[in-house]
Amino acid sequence: AQSVTQLGSHVSVSEGALVLLRCNYSSSVPPYLFWYVQYPNQGLQLLLKYTSAATLVKGINGFEAEFKKSETSFHLTKPSAHMSDAAEYFCAVSEGGGNKLTFGTGTQLKVEL
Amino acid sequence: GAVVSQHPSRVICKSGTSVKIECRSLDFQATTMFWYRQFPKQSLMLMATSNEGSKATYEQGVEKDKFLINHASLTLSTLTVTSAHPEDSSFYICSARALLDYEQYFGPGTRLTVT
Repeated sequence: AQSVTQLGSHVSVSEGALVLLRCNYSSSVPPYLFWYVQYPNQGLQLLLKYTSAATLVKGINGFEAEFKKSETSFHLTKPSAHMSDAAEYFCAVSEGGGNKLTFGTGTQLKVEL
Repeated sequence: GAVVSQHPSRVICKSGTSVKIECRSLDFQATTMFWYRQFPKQSLMLMATSNEGSKATYEQGVEKDKFLINHASLTLSTLTVTSAHPEDSSFYICSARALLDYEQYFGPGTRLTVT
């Protein structure tokens, strides 16, 4: 069975500061990993995905994530936070491509002036 | 590309009535569609997976007679909430996946309020 743990339901950073959102996964097979962003009352937008290629994945809006098998982690980072980054972020895992996604509980990112 | 729409975006219905939510893939053929439910400030919970032309597969604990899913074409899936109750009020999100594609494309969601 697959699962995702997102540490920190709320993260607050100053504008311009580093963003680090944590995600650890559990999977019985090599995983596909995803980060999504959700703005209020909207669907999910894909930020980036890991599909067994390069371990450092670059996504949209300056976000990137590194797959670390030894740590079963896929943390999301952005060097400099912007006010528009304030949203809910979900990490998700899929056991093999095309199979169902299991989502973490989400992290609400707040960006302060 | 890869756009998924949902209709309606918001719906309010009375307790005991049924409501239908549509999910459409606008620019690709979706062989598989997924329906999720999201309670306020919580994560997405998969309700069911539907493949075009076959019966949906429901997750454990989801009542298939209450949440009717139809995936009659490669671009349309519908979720019908039958005999809705206030506890069915939630944000329903669909996603769609093309054949041989590992990525799911999400719709904008439907806010259901049952009064």
